[in-house]
Amino acid sequence: GEDVEQSLFLSVREGDSSVINCTYTDSSSTYLYWYKQEPGAGLQLLTYIFSNMDMKQDQRLTVLLNKKDKHLSLRIADTQTGDSAIYFCAESMAGSNYQLIWGAGTKLIIKP
Amino acid sequence: DGGITQSPKYLFRKEGQNVTLSCEQNLNHDAMYWYRQDPGQGLRLIYYSQIVNDFQKGDIAEGYSVSREKKESFPLTVTSAQKNPTAFYLCASSLAGPYEQYFGPGTRLTVT
Repeated sequence: GEDVEQSLFLSVREGDSSVINCTYTDSSSTYLYWYKQEPGAGLQLLTYIFSNMDMKQDQRLTVLLNKKDKHLSLRIADTQTGDSAIYFCAESMAGSNYQLIWGAGTKLIIKP
Repeated sequence: DGGITQSPKYLFRKEGQNVTLSCEQNLNHDAMYWYRQDPGQGLRLIYYSQIVNDFQKGDIAEGYSVSREKKESFPLTVTSAQKNPTAFYLCASSLAGPYEQYFGPGTRLTVT
């Protein structure tokens, strides 16, 4: 079945770049999303990429998509303490009424 | 201000009682979703609705029920049949099709 995998934790120093990785299994994905969740809050859409794109940049965020390897990454440049959160990747697939398949989330820890 | 509201933020119930969680959106979205989130896990889909008066079971529908009498509202009832109801519940909505989902702030339900 469909599966989306992420590492559970990532620790980076303030000011460095963070790269959060995600792998998925279904090649029929249409859109792939990155969401951010701060403690005790709902999820906030950060960015998304259409499956026929390789890269998307939005200010400090860069999304890279490697369809051949089914690998998605989110790079956060100049990581700040406010970036501390859980980051979820999700894929949307046409064959399932566009339901989202979610990764377990990566907790980003910022070291001073 | 457009958005999704969930109430209450915290809810406490005794075992054996049914409880209803509220979700309202004013984004004019056709589709609405209920997810359950447990620590260290991704989001699991409970129920979703793509149109008024119609809804489908998600991956973990047992012990839950929903209704969709109005486009703006998608309440979730956690019944006494749900064996482990203590969790963080998230409601989301989207346009119909491969579009991003927008989330409410969540309701943390504790059953003792």
